[in-house]
Order: sequence, then structure tokens, then C-alpha cells
Amino acid sequence: AQSVSQHNHHVILSEAASLELGCNYSYGGTVNLFWYVQYPGQHLQLLLKYFSGDPLVKGIKGFEAEFIKSKFSFNLRKPSVQWSDTAEYFCAVDQTGANNLFFGTGTRLTVIP
Amino acid sequence: GAVVSQHPSWVICKSGTSVKIECRSLDFQATTMFWYRQFPKQSLMLMATSNEGSKATYEQGVEKDKFLINHASLTLSTLTVTSAHPEDSSFYICSAATVDSYEQYFGPGTRLTVT
Repeated sequence: AQSVSQHNHHVILSEAASLELGCNYSYGGTVNLFWYVQYPGQHLQLLLKYFSGDPLVKGIKGFEAEFIKSKFSFNLRKPSVQWSDTAEYFCAVDQTGANNLFFGTGTRLTVIP
Repeated sequence: GAVVSQHPSWVICKSGTSVKIECRSLDFQATTMFWYRQFPKQSLMLMATSNEGSKATYEQGVEKDKFLINHASLTLSTLTVTSAHPEDSSFYICSAATVDSYEQYFGPGTRLTVT
């Protein structure tokens, strides 16, 4: 069965620190990959997505993620976080054609001013 | 654009009663809507997928007679939790997608508490 792992449950960083959140999935076939963010009190919003092509994808608000097929990973990065990045981050995987998202358990990011 | 709303945002009901949750796409036509359930500190679990005018497709382990889904129009889907029990208490989130987009737009969620 499809599974998505986010190893970091809660990450605390100071402003301007670099961020990397891990995401690994178990499905061996072709996948579409997503990172969603949920700011406090708000709904899930798409940060970025990978369908095909360049494995380094850039999203909104300075976020990027790299798809490494051999490692079944899709880690999220940002070179310099801001206090406003405090939120819950969810990795999601979809088997191509199904549009059924399997979510990781989420990583809570707290950025200290 | 691509706004999805849910109503109510929270609801408390007594055990044995039924509760209906609405999901609306406000500025686009959603050919497909999805219903998720989220337990505290856990990930979103897909419950079912519904296409406008068709019966919903339920994920394994989800009781279709308990969680009734209707997608009667391109802008509205409803989830009815029938004969609710305390273990049904959860956060229910819907999302919507268009026929030509692989992106799902999420609603703000509905918190259900069954007493």
C-alpha cells in the first residue's frame, strides 16, 4: 500500500535559518508529488508540485523541492525562513491517473523571530 | 480564484443523529470532489471521491452507508454522517478539482464532535 513518511514531526528554527523537511514515499511506480502548507487557522494551500521534467521544482514563497527517484524522496527546502513560514507542512503523493492523494502526517514548523 | 468553502465550520451533535456537511466550489466548477478525514496529529485520510452526477467511490474501510456523499451539481457536494457516534468525531475536509486540472483546492474543514 501507498505510504508517505515525514520524519520530522516538529521543527523549530530561528529566522534566516535554512529549512529542509523530509518526505519519503513507498510507491514504486510513477507518482505526482505535492507539498501543501496549512497556516494557523487556514485551509491547506498548494506550495509546489512535481509531475515530470526537472526534478527541482520551485514553488511559492521561495520554497523548492527536489525529487530524487532513487531515494523515493521529495524534500522541501527554503534557504532562509521567515516568521510567517510558521505553519504545518504536508507532503502528498498521487499515483498518476488516480488523483488520490496520500498525505504524510505533517511537519509543524515554528520559526522564532 | 479556486475557493472552496465548507459549512458548517464546526458542529456538535448527539449520538445517533445525522449531520450534513456541505462543500462548495465558489468560483469554479468542480467535476470531482474529495472528502478527507483528519484525526488529531495525524495525516489526512481520503474517505471518498465523488464525480458530479455519479456515485461516490469509497476508500477501503469507509462505510458508504454511514458516510453518504452526494455530488448533485458542479459546485456542491455533501457528506452526511448518519447515526453518528463519538468515534466519528473528527475534522472533515473536502477538496475540489476541475476536469482539466490535477490540483485539488481544499476547503477550511469542518470539526464534528459527537457527544
